[in-house]
Amino acid sequence: GENVEQHPSTLSVQEGDSAVIKCTYSDSASNYFPWYKQELGKRPQLIIDIRSNVGEKKDQRIAVTLNKTAKHFSLHITETQPEDSAVYFCAATQGGSEKLVFGKGTKLTVNP
Amino acid sequence: NAGVMQNPRHLVRRRGQEARLRCSPMKGHSHVYWYRQLPEEGLKFMVYLQKENIIDESGMPKERFSAEFPKEGPSILRIQQVVRGDSAAYFCASSPRGHTYEQYFGPGTRLTVT
Repeated sequence: GENVEQHPSTLSVQEGDSAVIKCTYSDSASNYFPWYKQELGKRPQLIIDIRSNVGEKKDQRIAVTLNKTAKHFSLHITETQPEDSAVYFCAATQGGSEKLVFGKGTKLTVNP
Repeated sequence: NAGVMQNPRHLVRRRGQEARLRCSPMKGHSHVYWYRQLPEEGLKFMVYLQKENIIDESGMPKERFSAEFPKEGPSILRIQQVVRGDSAAYFCASSPRGHTYEQYFGPGTRLTVT
């Protein structure tokens, strides 16, 4: 089955700096890669996603890149703000199914 | 347009009791997924349902757990004879259709087994 590894587990940056979170996956048939942001005690919120036929996608300060050959994808947050502080999860579909396999999460802290 | 709804938000059960968790998908969504989240961990897939059908239950424990999504009403995750290890946050998500469409999560039900 699919295995998703996420690094780092914690990340601390200064306000205004960039943050990068990386994930690798094992199933070459995976074709959908969403990123979720979860604040303490809240629901996971979909912030950006990418499909296997695209190499990069950007939405304002957030971008995701996908390298299918290397089986890794990354989340990039530029000009970080304190409200970006949360746990971020990457996920990948398992094979041709709709099942999402999640990474263990990255706790991002943006220091003012 | 209301988002995914779950109730109750918090549920306390004694060992051996039954827990029933409800999920109402977003309007227009016909696919429901249940996930379990332990403290400090990611979300683990449990089951994927469409109306009146279980599509994938590969993440469900073989015993005590069941799920349904009837033609009318919310999806229900049922845990019989709960044990302390069942304590977790249970999230459901919905999507308009399968095949890698976005999944939107509800607020979760936090189950505590005493």
